[in-house]
Order: sequence, then C-alpha cells, then structure tokens
Amino acid sequence: DAKTTQPTSMDCAEGRAANLPCNHSTISGNEYVYWYRQIHSQGPQYIIHGLKNNETNEMASLIITEDRKSSTLILPHATLRDTAVYYCIVGNNAGNMLTFGGGTRLMVKP
Amino acid sequence: GAVVSQHPSWVICKSGTSVKIECRSLDFQATTMFWYRQFPKQSLMLMATSNEGSKATYEQGVEKDKFLINHASLTLSTLTVTSAHPEDSSFYICSARSLAESSYEQYFGPGTRLTVT
Repeated sequence: DAKTTQPTSMDCAEGRAANLPCNHSTISGNEYVYWYRQIHSQGPQYIIHGLKNNETNEMASLIITEDRKSSTLILPHATLRDTAVYYCIVGNNAGNMLTFGGGTRLMVKP
Repeated sequence: GAVVSQHPSWVICKSGTSVKIECRSLDFQATTMFWYRQFPKQSLMLMATSNEGSKATYEQGVEKDKFLINHASLTLSTLTVTSAHPEDSSFYICSARSLAESSYEQYFGPGTRLTVT
C-alpha cells in the first residue's frame, strides 16, 4: 500500500473551514484515498473516500489533485466536536486492511 | 449506517489471566473483520485479519498463540488475550467490512480498553 504524509497537528477556529492536506505521491492507479477520524478513546469513523474526482458528502469534501499525488480534506464549518485525529489512508478497493499512519491532530478552538 | 459493537468496552484483569473481547456487526454480515491495537498517543496497528470460517492471518510480530482469534459466524469475531501481561495493556479496536458494500468501507467498533495489573 502507498504511504501517506500528513502534518502532525493543526489548529482551526470554530466556524471556519478546516483544510487538512495529505501527500500520497506513490499512490497507484487502482488505489483510493480514504479519510477517517478518531475522536479520543473511540474507534475510527469513516469520513469520505475518492479515486480521481472530488467528492462531497454531509461531513466533508475531498479534493484530489489531477496527478493524484496529494489530496485535501475540507471540513467547511468546523465545530468543537470536530477535534480529533484525522487519518488519510490509501488502499485498493479489494477491502483489504487499512494501514494507519500518524494522522493529523486537529484542534478546533472557540 | 452500519454498526459494529465491542464487548466489553473496558476490562481490568490480573497478570496471567485470559481476556476475551467480542466484536459484532449488528446490522450487516461481515466475511472479514480486522483487529487493531493502539497504544497511548500512537496510531492503530493492525494485528490480524479474521475471515469467517477460516484461520486468521496475523501481522508480523503478533503472536498467534497469545492472541487467539475466532470468527465463527458472519457477525461475530472474538479476540482472546491469553496469559495477559501488563505490556498487553492497550486499546483494542475491531473493524468489519460489509458483504454488501461495493465500496468496501470499513466500520469500526468503539474499542475495548484492556488494563492488565
């Protein structure tokens, strides 16, 4: 599986957009980009995933660059409850296990 | 959305005893379940992949005789930590992949915090 690189931590003001970057320069053609988040002492929660096109759901938007070597997760209006560790993971669609990196610790501040 | 439960949510046991953790998919069937371990301030580390009706596949460095995994049905997998020691104290998390989902989204349980004294 391709590896990902994410900033260790980020801060965001409540109500503002949180933009979380992820580099995955070795991603292969059949690998998806998945985003999960983990609130303290809970199991990870699925947020969104994509292959080539930008994706949006009720939680977030995922912007994938044309060369697919990086992506950005956007939380349009961050709330205090969005404080969590956000994991960017790349993997194929065969349902194999997910390899978690260090993630980005997002702190949303009032 | 699909729900995965774990039981117990936390457990304290004495060194040398065994502890069983259950992982259930509540509203879907899962041929494959995954077991992860997470130490404080660290990321999740995959321990093993559990397939219904067959032996689990363990990651390198994980002792299969110490961490017994049984996936007896499409909705239940169990992890038994045998002869637990303080260094086994950790947050254990399972995930399940739905048979029906084409996107192969994984659903995670809430985790089980094990403390070995």
